[in-house]
Amino acid sequence: NAGVTQTPKFRILKIGQSMTLQCTQDMNHNYMYWYRQDPGMGLKLIYYSVGAGITDKGEVPNGYNVSRSTTEDFPLRLELAAPSQTSVYFCASIIGAWGQGAPGGYTFGSGTRLTVV
Amino acid sequence: AQSVTQLGSHVSVSEGALVLLRCNYSSSVPPYLFWYVQYPNQGLQLLLKYTTGATLVKGINGFEAEFKKSETSFHLTKPSAHMSDAAEYFCAVSVIKNTGNQFYFGTGTSLTVIP
Repeated sequence: NAGVTQTPKFRILKIGQSMTLQCTQDMNHNYMYWYRQDPGMGLKLIYYSVGAGITDKGEVPNGYNVSRSTTEDFPLRLELAAPSQTSVYFCASIIGAWGQGAPGGYTFGSGTRLTVV
Repeated sequence: AQSVTQLGSHVSVSEGALVLLRCNYSSSVPPYLFWYVQYPNQGLQLLLKYTTGATLVKGINGFEAEFKKSETSFHLTKPSAHMSDAAEYFCAVSVIKNTGNQFYFGTGTSLTVIP
């Protein structure tokens, strides 16, 4: 079982470039999330999805877009990269809400370290 | 509104000493509480969780945490620190919303273990 797989692991972008951070999970989890982690700031939720075709904004969505065409994939798109988007990005998934028998806790990917210069 | 406060962004302990990482939360509904650990260049791994039942929960690697509702706390402890415990630790609270689980993370505590 691979769990949550993120690619790439590292990337350097120039200001104004665009890129897609890939996230795939093979656990048939309904809920998927994108977080960014900045030093001393903890994790901030960017976007999340409760199932294929359903996405919603988190705490810091500006400058990002997502799509969820399948249960497995939840890519994060940066359209016009800015230095403020330099961060470590984590994708996470969970099977569902507690009432659906969720085992509890996220499964995290290993992260994508993005630098915008 | 939900929030998580971790007291102390950096904690240093000697090898073999008690580890105590503090976490306080605010929640308008009964919370589900978690501790995660993050080793360098890795994602977060679940250490332990409190959902319902016994307020003292045991996790992996000898860690445990106690949910104290009256103090709105969920402090993480380990009786004897090991060098391999050096990592970043995150406390999190989860609440259920109409659109599913919503997790809120603290800002993290970096644990250093001194030989």
